[in-house]
Parts: sequence; C-alpha cells; structure tokens
Amino acid sequence: GENVEQHPSTLSVQEGDSAVIKCTYSDSASNYFPWYKQELGKRPQLIIDIRSNVGEKKDQRIAVTLNKTAKHFSLHITETQPEDSAVYFCAATYSGGGADGLTFGKGTHLIIQP
Amino acid sequence: DSGVTQTPKHLITATGQRVTLRCSPRSGDLSVYWYQQSLDQGLQFLIQYYNGEERAKGNILERFSAQQFPDLHSELNLSSLELGDSALYFCASSVGTGPVNTEAFFGQGTRLTVV
Repeated sequence: GENVEQHPSTLSVQEGDSAVIKCTYSDSASNYFPWYKQELGKRPQLIIDIRSNVGEKKDQRIAVTLNKTAKHFSLHITETQPEDSAVYFCAATYSGGGADGLTFGKGTHLIIQP
Repeated sequence: DSGVTQTPKHLITATGQRVTLRCSPRSGDLSVYWYQQSLDQGLQFLIQYYNGEERAKGNILERFSAQQFPDLHSELNLSSLELGDSALYFCASSVGTGPVNTEAFFGQGTRLTVV
C-alpha cells in the first residue's frame, strides 16, 4: 500500500516569512495529492490539491509543487500570517479505480511567531 | 461548515461495549469515508463506501464494521471496545470516485473515549 512521509513535524517561522512542508510517497500509481489544514479540535479542511498531470498549482498565498519522478510534493505558504498556525497534513491516493481512501502524512505543526 | 454531519460529537463508554457513529454526507455526495485520528497513529483511513457498496478497506479492525444506507448516510460500528480505540473518528464525503470527483470534505468528528 501507499506510504506518505512528511517533514518537518514542527515548523516555526516569523510572521511574514515563507513556510515549506515536504512529503514523499511510495506508490507511483498515486495521482491525487491534497493538503489539509487542521486547527486544534476542529476538522481537517482541504486547502489545496494537485493531480499528477500538473507540476504546480497556486491559490493566493498557497502553492503546491509535485515531482512525479522523485515522488515528492511540497506545500509553500508565503507571507505567513498568525491564522496560518495549525497542523497541516499531506495525503496521497490513486483516484480512478473507484477506491480512493487517502493515505496521510503524520502532520506538520506550523507555528507563526509574531 | 463542510456540509458533512456527524453524531454524536462526544461519546464516553466502557471497555467491552459497542457504539455506533453516524454520518450524513454532503447533499449529492455518493462516497463516504471513515478515518480514525489518534495521537500515535495520526489520521488513518478505515473504510470507504460508494452508493451503498463497500469500495475500499484500510486499517480497519475486525471489531469494527460500517455500512451505507439507501439514503446515503453511513454508520460505523465499533464493538468490544478497548482503551486504545479512544480517538477522533471522522467521516468525509465526496461527490463520487475518479479523477474529477475526489475532493473529500470532513465532518466535525466524533470524539470517542473508552474508559
């Protein structure tokens, strides 16, 4: 089955700086890679996703890049703000076979220092 | 609000007991997923249903079972509960399956505490 590794487990950055979270996956068949943000005690919320037919996707201050050859993908947050503080999870799955439960990384606790 | 509704929000029960968690997917979504979140194991996929049929099994214990009903709501049944089953159980739903319909939206979760 799929295995997703996520680094770092904790990331502390100054407000206004950029944050980068990296994930690797093991199953070359995986073709859908979402990122979720989870605030304390709340549900995971989808913030951005990328499919294997593109290398990069942006949405305002958030971007995700995918390197299929190396089997890794990254989340980039620019101009970080206090409300970006949360736990971020990457995930991977093969979407197309009718069974697409997500395999998640262990999460990154992002701390934005004022 | 994601549109996915889970009940109850909190559940406290004793070891050896059986509980049922309920999930109503977003209107129009046919796929329902169950995930378990614990401190040591993180977010783990348990099982997926699509339009009433089981589609995929993840790390679901034999003591656990689920089903999706004709009105598309789903229930997760946990039996012979152990202390280690204490966790947040999330339900998620998506429109369907396949490359276009995979975005999954999570409910608020049910926090299960086994004492």
